[in-house]
Amino acid sequence: EDQVTQSPEALRLQEGESSSLNCSYTVSGLRGLFWYRQDPGKGPEFLFTLYSAGEEKEKERLKATLTKKESFLHITAPKPEDSATYLCAVRRAGNNRKLIWGLGTSLAVNP
Amino acid sequence: DTEVTQTPKHLVMGMTNKKSLKCEQHMGHRAMYWYKQKAKKPPELMFVYSYEKLSINESVPSRFSPECPNSSLLNLHLHALQPEDSALYLCASSQAWGGDEQFFGPGTRLTVL
Repeated sequence: EDQVTQSPEALRLQEGESSSLNCSYTVSGLRGLFWYRQDPGKGPEFLFTLYSAGEEKEKERLKATLTKKESFLHITAPKPEDSATYLCAVRRAGNNRKLIWGLGTSLAVNP
Repeated sequence: DTEVTQTPKHLVMGMTNKKSLKCEQHMGHRAMYWYKQKAKKPPELMFVYSYEKLSINESVPSRFSPECPNSSLLNLHLHALQPEDSALYLCASSQAWGGDEQFFGPGTRLTVL
């Protein structure tokens, strides 16, 4: 069965303490993997799309990487404003174009 | 302009009311979506419009009625809702259905009394 699993469920960091969030997936053919950030009570904000193993993308303190089984979202020297829920979603190759979502990682960065 | 707007931000309605949620995008996207999101859960797809035609209805109860008046606008008409329908309703758009990234609006927080 197609599935997306994110870990950890929750993560608390001190400001400046770098870490990584994990998104592992099992789908029959990957068409794309998407990372979003969501603040409480707001819509998800698009961060990155990754298409193939070995691909990397960066934006400010965030860097997303992709392998054949998982993606990592690396956060370097986080700040309190990076606190949010980070959601991962995948799209399968083929006719079923729905996104399959993980449950998210809730990140809190303490000053 | 990479913005999807939604109105209202908050809505409280009784079970006998009729109300509508509105969504607008000016990115020239040809696919628009309605999602429902409950606390601590990911967004759950409800409807997909592609080129102003309904492409996907994820077995949503008929008390939710979508409408796409033109390529920039998407409405969700609500009637006879239940308290369990209380949630954050999100609109999103993308270049095409099954195309790449979807851009989300800020959402409407709906409370059904």
